[in-house]
Parts: sequence; C-alpha cells; structure tokens
Amino acid sequence: QVQLVQSGAEVKKPGSSVKVSCKASGGTFSRYAISWVRLAPGQGLEWMGRIIPIVGTVKYAQKFQDRLTITADKSTNTAYMELSSLRSEDTAVYYCARGGQLVYYMDVWGKGTTVTVSS
Amino acid sequence: DIQMTQSPSSLSASVGDRVTITCRASQSIRSYLNWYQQRPGKAPNLLIYATSSLQSGVPSRFSGSGSGTYFTLTISSLQPEDFATYYCQQSYSPPPTFGQGSKLEIK
Repeated sequence: QVQLVQSGAEVKKPGSSVKVSCKASGGTFSRYAISWVRLAPGQGLEWMGRIIPIVGTVKYAQKFQDRLTITADKSTNTAYMELSSLRSEDTAVYYCARGGQLVYYMDVWGKGTTVTVSS
Repeated sequence: DIQMTQSPSSLSASVGDRVTITCRASQSIRSYLNWYQQRPGKAPNLLIYATSSLQSGVPSRFSGSGSGTYFTLTISSLQPEDFATYYCQQSYSPPPTFGQGSKLEIK
C-alpha cells in the first residue's frame, strides 16, 4: 500500500517562501494525481492545487494562483508544494494526498507538515 | 466555486447513538460527494466516496445518501473512535471544496 511521507515542520518569516515535499513509497506514483490541502487553525480543509506527475498537468485553486507552485519528480516519486509571499494567515498544516486522474477525491494522505509564519 | 454547508457544526452524542450529519451544496453536484473523518492531530481519512460507496476498510456502521444538493452521513451506532470532525467534499467541479466541518464530541 502506498504511503506519502512529508517533510518536516517549517518556521518562516512573512514574505518568504516555503517548499514542502511529499515522497510516495510502496506503490506507483506517476499515474495518480497528488493534491495539496491545508488546514489552518480554526478553519476547515482547503484544497490548494494538484499535479498529475505522469503528464505534468497542474491545476491551482484561484486563490493561490499567483504564489503557489506544485511540481513532481517522477524519478524519485516526490511531489513538491512551494508557497511564496507567506503571511501569517498561511500558518497551517499542509497535507499531500493521492487521488485519481479523473476524480477529485483523495484516498491516501500524508501525515501533514506544519508551517508557521511568524516574525 | 461550489459552496458546501454542513450542519450541525458541532454535536454531542453517546456511544451507541445513531448520528446524522447533513451537507448541502450551493448547486447540484449530482452524486459527486465524499466524506472524510479527521481525528485531532491526524490526517483526514476518506470514509465514503460518490455519496454512498464505502471506502475499503471503513466499518459498515458508516453510510451515506443523497443526490443533487442534499446529502447525509449516518453513523448507525457510535463507537469511541468515531468522535472526530467530519467533512463533506464535492468532486463535481474543480476546485474541489469542503464543508466547514462537523465536530462530533462525547456527551
């Protein structure tokens, strides 16, 4: 069964960028979609965007269009999420999650990466 | 974007109770509705996809129904491990959007 292993917690200054990784182990990677979803304190789950590594197709939520970059390295089965121009409201737990190419539900999730934005 | 609204936002119940959470979409999403469970400090866990299909490994006490704009998640007999936050999510039209969550607490 595939597992998604995320990189460790980050503390960032406002205005900086953060890059979080998500490595798939124990199964195929490229033919699925990898989404990024965040959970901010006191808020609900928020989908940010996704990539289909086998074709490189990327889709972003409009809210993050200008400062989010999602990439994938098929050779290492790793996806990346980079968020720039960080502000305090970006403090959240960031999850990567696997879904189908044609569907937008997610059946395998990473454990999450806490990103704290503070001066 | 399609707005998803859950009710109640929080509820208290006892072990053995039957509980129903509702989810409404701002427009028809046919049967493209999914449910997740999230325990504190853990990642979300897919319970039900496509309104009523139980994800592999999920206990049969969980069930889902509905279509169009109105959906429900029912837990037939609450177990201690079911106390968590539940989210609905539409997968009809990108971007996928979630409800605000329903927190189920022990009475």
